[in-house]
Amino acid sequence: AQKITQTQPGMFVQEKEAVTLDCTYDTSDPSYGLFWYKQPSSGEMIFLIYQGSYDQQNATEGRYSLNFQKARKSANLVISASQLGDSAMYFCAMSSNSGGYQKVTFGIGTKLQVIP
Amino acid sequence: SQTIHQWPATLVQPVGSPLSLECTVEGTSNPNLYWYRQAAGRGLQLLFYSVGIGQISSEVPQNLSASRPQDRQFILSSKKLLLSDSGFYLCAWSVSYGNEQFFGPGTRLTVL
Repeated sequence: AQKITQTQPGMFVQEKEAVTLDCTYDTSDPSYGLFWYKQPSSGEMIFLIYQGSYDQQNATEGRYSLNFQKARKSANLVISASQLGDSAMYFCAMSSNSGGYQKVTFGIGTKLQVIP
Repeated sequence: SQTIHQWPATLVQPVGSPLSLECTVEGTSNPNLYWYRQAAGRGLQLLFYSVGIGQISSEVPQNLSASRPQDRQFILSSKKLLLSDSGFYLCAWSVSYGNEQFFGPGTRLTVL
C-alpha cells in the first residue's frame, strides 16, 4: 500500500525567503512518481512539479524544486523567493501504475503562509 | 490545449435527495478520469476512476456511484445523500499511462 506523510500542518515564511515543505513516502512499487500540488483558497488543485523514481536529477520548475532523496524516501518541495501568492495549501502525492491506471495517493497537506 | 470543466460550482442539498455532478474534459481523447472528495481541512480521497467508456472502478464503498457515458464525460451520482457526503468534489484527468493529473475547479457540496 502507498502512503504519503506530511508532518507540517502549517508553515510561515517571510516574503522573498526560501521555504522547504516536507514529504516522506512509503511504497513497495519499484516505479513511481512523486508530485506536488498547490491548492489556493479558491479550491482548485494546481499541478506544480513531478519527479520520477528513476530520474537521476532533482526536478525543477521555475521557483519550485523537488529535493528527492530516494534512500530516505523523501520528496521535499523547495520554494525559492517566496511571494504572497504562494500562500496556499500544498499537497504531496505519489502515483504508481496499478491495473493500467495511475493510482494517486495524497498527503494531508501543509498550509503555507507568506508574510509580507 | 486541454481543459476540464465541472458543474455546478456549489450545491446545497437536503439529506435523502439525489445528486448528479458532471465533469467534462476537452482537448484530449481517452483520458483516465477520476473523482476525488476532500473533506474540510483534509487531503484528497479517491472515490472512482475510469480508464474508458463504461469502465468504472470504485476505491471505497459508499452510497455514491459514477458513470462514464462518453469518452470525456464523467458523472458522480447518489440516489440518497447523507450528511457525511458533504465536501469538496474534484474531478481530474490524466493521459493514459501518463503521470500528472489535472484537476477541475471542483464542486462544493453541502448536505443539510
